[in-house]
Order: sequence, then structure tokens, then C-alpha cells
Amino acid sequence: QQPVQSPQAVILREGEDAVINCSSSKALYSVHWYRQKHGEAPVFLMILLKGGEQKGHDKISASFNEKKQQSSLYLTASQLSYSGTYFCGTEPHYSGAGSYQLTFGKGTKLSVIP
Amino acid sequence: GAVVSQHPSRVICKSGTSVKIECRSLDFQATTMFWYRQFPKQSLMLMATSNEGSKATYEQGVEKDKFLINHASLTLSTLTVASAHPEDSSFYICSARDSGLLDYEQFFGPGTRLTVL
Repeated sequence: QQPVQSPQAVILREGEDAVINCSSSKALYSVHWYRQKHGEAPVFLMILLKGGEQKGHDKISASFNEKKQQSSLYLTASQLSYSGTYFCGTEPHYSGAGSYQLTFGKGTKLSVIP
Repeated sequence: GAVVSQHPSRVICKSGTSVKIECRSLDFQATTMFWYRQFPKQSLMLMATSNEGSKATYEQGVEKDKFLINHASLTLSTLTVASAHPEDSSFYICSARDSGLLDYEQFFGPGTRLTVL
């Protein structure tokens, strides 16, 4: 089942912060975050594998609450280059024959304006 | 990071034509590759999982006789859209996972935009 992302869209001014949420109705093994710019392929941001795990680089970080089956992506001090559509991809626990298959949310469109 | 290429990047064809899209992992081996389709302003929808040396696994609702997948080597998977029709027009993206790593990252190709007239 497709994970639910919120919000659907957000507009920020440079320097502002944003949080994008991703929740699933299924038990998750991992959550992957990608950013896609118009007409281009998704670019990998990070993977979170274990409950309660947090990761981050530069001013983008994420958390994964395995028990709640939720992940959040945190963008701080946003830059113009952060604009794009952010997708979370979820891998259910025990993927079986479809190992490493990801189901993507509908995306969150982030627009950063000067 | 690892690089995945797709060819062609863009194709325009007449209805009824078959179109072949190649997905290559350039600097790593990938026993598993994934094919996605993305319609405008929508999410990536997994079409099939391509396994080297075996038959692809198709998602529900994806016709295996229309979307033919061949994963002949550890660095190449091909998707052939047989007898394409206008409703097949979409952005097709492949991804690959490095077989030699424990990491679960999927590397995406740049995508192929298919337009069927």
C-alpha cells in the first residue's frame, strides 16, 4: 500500500524550515527519501533502516519511528536548491520475493522562494 | 556514487511501434533492477522487478506481454514496450541496487520520456 505523505505542497522563503511526513499502514523495514526536480530522475537523499534511527547531512535530516511506521524529513535553513518534489519510498518488513521493492508516496512539492 | 544510465532519454514513436529502453549500471553489478513509470505530477509506480538470469516479477495490473523485460547481464536490463499506444506515453525510470553492498540504496537512471503519437 502506498505510504501517505503530508503536506502535499509547501512554499518556503529562503532560510525557513520545513518538515515532510511519511506514514504507512504496514510494518516497515526501511524508509528511503528522494528529491526529484521537474523532468529529472529522483535523487537519493537517505535511507533509514531501524526504529528510532536518525540521519542527516548538511541541513537535511530524517527520523524513522519503526513502531509508529512513520518517518519525517527535516529541512532547515532552506535554500533555493531545495525546491523539488520529495518522495518517501517504503520497504515493508520481510519483502520476500520482491526484495528491496519500494512503494513511493505521492510526493510533497516544496517551493523555496527568495 | 554509483551511476545508472538509460537509453534513449527521449523517444517519439507512432502507435503500434515497439520501443526498447535500456538500463545500465555503469560501475557496479546489479542482480536486481526495477522499472517504474511516472505520469505527470504523479508518483513513481513500480512496474516490475528485473532479476538477472530469471524472469521478471510484475506488479499487479502490469501486462507482462506488453512490457517485456530482459535482464541478460549483471549490468543491463531492457524494457520493451510492445505495440505502444498513446496511453503508454509516460516517463519510464529504472533503478538498480549494487549487489556487492549491504546498503539498500537504489540508484536511479535519468529516465526515458516516451511519447506515442
